[in-house]
Amino acid sequence: QKEVEQDPGPLSVPEGAIVSLNCTYSNSAFQYFMWYRQYSRKGPELLMYTYSSGNKEDGRFTAQVDKSSKYISLFIRDSQPSDSATYLCAMSSGFSGNTPLVFGKGTRLSVIA
Amino acid sequence: NAGVTQTPKFQVLKTGQSMTLQCAQDMNHNSMYWYRQDPGMGLRLIYYSASEGTTDKGEVPNGYNVSRLNKREFSLRLESAAPSQTSVYFCASSDHGYTFGSGTRLTVV
Repeated sequence: QKEVEQDPGPLSVPEGAIVSLNCTYSNSAFQYFMWYRQYSRKGPELLMYTYSSGNKEDGRFTAQVDKSSKYISLFIRDSQPSDSATYLCAMSSGFSGNTPLVFGKGTRLSVIA
Repeated sequence: NAGVTQTPKFQVLKTGQSMTLQCAQDMNHNSMYWYRQDPGMGLRLIYYSASEGTTDKGEVPNGYNVSRLNKREFSLRLESAAPSQTSVYFCASSDHGYTFGSGTRLTVV
């Protein structure tokens, strides 16, 4: 079993829809959880990060972490065509350079106008 | 612009050739990383450097070597390229979140 599992999609939604992206993980030591967005032929860019369990909101984006279920989610409200990208979850047990991030495989999202 | 700079952006190698991928960051980050990204495989860690003077193997280190030249620069070397090393290579540096470069697209024929 991979440490981090993420459905690769692709996921196609109409503009304005609420999008839910998810990852599961097996390592209970993970405490730092991040979401990256990657546009085609570009490097990933940090979108959201959370520590331990709970929710975090930033504009149209909400990140949720449920450590008891080893499950994290990213919600995108009022989705826009510009949100079309691959979304990667990432996590680690620490925030030092000695605990590199482990990434999911990414979910490709298309928002159709 | 501040960030992570990777060179070259594209490269085609013949099997058995060697090359070095360069990475430099100007954010004064201590930690730097090399990942490869393949279709259906996600980002896989090759090597990382938690601080200047240290390097460690990641998930897929075979066939690669690295050098942390100074705090700014972290290079990845392929001594004898193989077709299985055809991939997109990303360098990243971190303070809290990772900042990625724009990638090097490498094809080994």
